[in-house]
Amino acid sequence: NAGVTQTPKFQVLKTGQSMTLQCAQDMNHEYMSWYRQDPGMGLRLIHYSVGAGITDQGEVPNGYNVSRSTTEDFPLRLLSAAPSQTSVYFCASSYKTGLGQPQHFGDGTRLSIL
Amino acid sequence: GQQVMQIPQYQHVQEGEDFTTYCNSSTTLSNIQWYKQRPGGHPVFLIQLVKSGEVKKQKRLTFQFGEAKKNSSLHITATQTTDVGTYFCAGPTSGTYKYIFGTGTRLKVLA
Repeated sequence: NAGVTQTPKFQVLKTGQSMTLQCAQDMNHEYMSWYRQDPGMGLRLIHYSVGAGITDQGEVPNGYNVSRSTTEDFPLRLLSAAPSQTSVYFCASSYKTGLGQPQHFGDGTRLSIL
Repeated sequence: GQQVMQIPQYQHVQEGEDFTTYCNSSTTLSNIQWYKQRPGGHPVFLIQLVKSGEVKKQKRLTFQFGEAKKNSSLHITATQTTDVGTYFCAGPTSGTYKYIFGTGTRLKVLA
């Protein structure tokens, strides 16, 4: 199994550009989420989804959009990139919501906004 | 809002010494998860604790969940260079599916 696959691995954008970070999982997981990781700040939840067609905001949702049209895919859209969005982005998935299941992380996308 | 803090932020130990990181939540947690992230890598799930006062062991790693379910600890006995990385705790916010990650403890092991 591929697990959680994120593309691209690296990306450089100019301020104001838009782009979509892709995330796909092949484990039939219900729960998917996006985190950003900045130095010394741990992982902060951007958006999450408990199933196809259902999404909700995390701690830091501003400037990002998500959709979940299929169980497998959970893309993250940057609407108008800003230097403050320079970060490492991780997508994660887990089998079920509820009491708690291990989250499986992708390898991350390292994004720089100039 | 809910906060999850970890201490210390950094820890350098000599190989063979013990290491402990502490995780404290501002609210009661239904469960707590621990993850390890190697430098340049992604977080990898280690364990989940659910019950008040629960203690679990994985070889040299001992995990504990506090009686009030607001704090947790990870203890590594006789550290090895393979233990290098950042250790995160994570817990769900009350009544939601949102997981809040702690600030992490970065462990460096000197050979």
